[in-house]
Amino acid sequence: QLQLQESGPGLVKPSETLSLTCTVSGGSINSSSYYWGWIRQPPGKGLEWIGSFYYSGTTYYNPSLKSRVTISVDTSKNHFSLKLSSVTAADTAVYYCATVGRTSTYYGMDVWGQGTTVTVSS
Amino acid sequence: QSALTQPPSASGSPGQSVTISCTGTSSDVGGYNFVSWYQQHPGTAPKLMIYEVTKRPSGVPDRFSGSKSGNTASLTVSGLQAEDEADYYCSSYAGSNNLVFGGGTKVTVL
Repeated sequence: QLQLQESGPGLVKPSETLSLTCTVSGGSINSSSYYWGWIRQPPGKGLEWIGSFYYSGTTYYNPSLKSRVTISVDTSKNHFSLKLSSVTAADTAVYYCATVGRTSTYYGMDVWGQGTTVTVSS
Repeated sequence: QSALTQPPSASGSPGQSVTISCTGTSSDVGGYNFVSWYQQHPGTAPKLMIYEVTKRPSGVPDRFSGSKSGNTASLTVSGLQAEDEADYYCSSYAGSNNLVFGGGTKVTVL
């Protein structure tokens, strides 16, 4: 059974870079069945898609965050990462990783990590 | 791309039905049959309830159904149960492998 787990610092200083990792277990990140995505949710607010990637290396980013976001993959460790630069308090949120259906459940996010809270504060 | 528009709240009594709308544009909801719906209980990750406008993942009760007309998609929960009280979010493919969410709707079971 495919499972995702986010990890990374819970506290990041303003203007620094937020770095998170999503570890995939029970399946391969090289699967053609999925894109792999990052989604965030500020406290008390709704969901925001940050970006997705396909294991071949193609990445897709939310236009509103594109200048600050990098998603990368380490297939040897079966995990993928999110970097968000120049963070401000507005980037404080729960960050989720999730699968995005590519060959079934098209563009539905079927498997989610439990989420990790990141606070931006000095 | 702008967030999809959902009503902030909806409610119904147990056994009744509630319908949530999700309005976008011809560049997202109206342009593709890739609308999904998610249920989120407090403190938990979202759960996929509907994908490709009308399809239910395995294990999702058939009380949950989806539809679309033009630029507006809808989620209907029939036979409301206490455990259906949650936040619901729609999402849509928006072209070029971009995705967009709605602002969310809090469903209250009276």
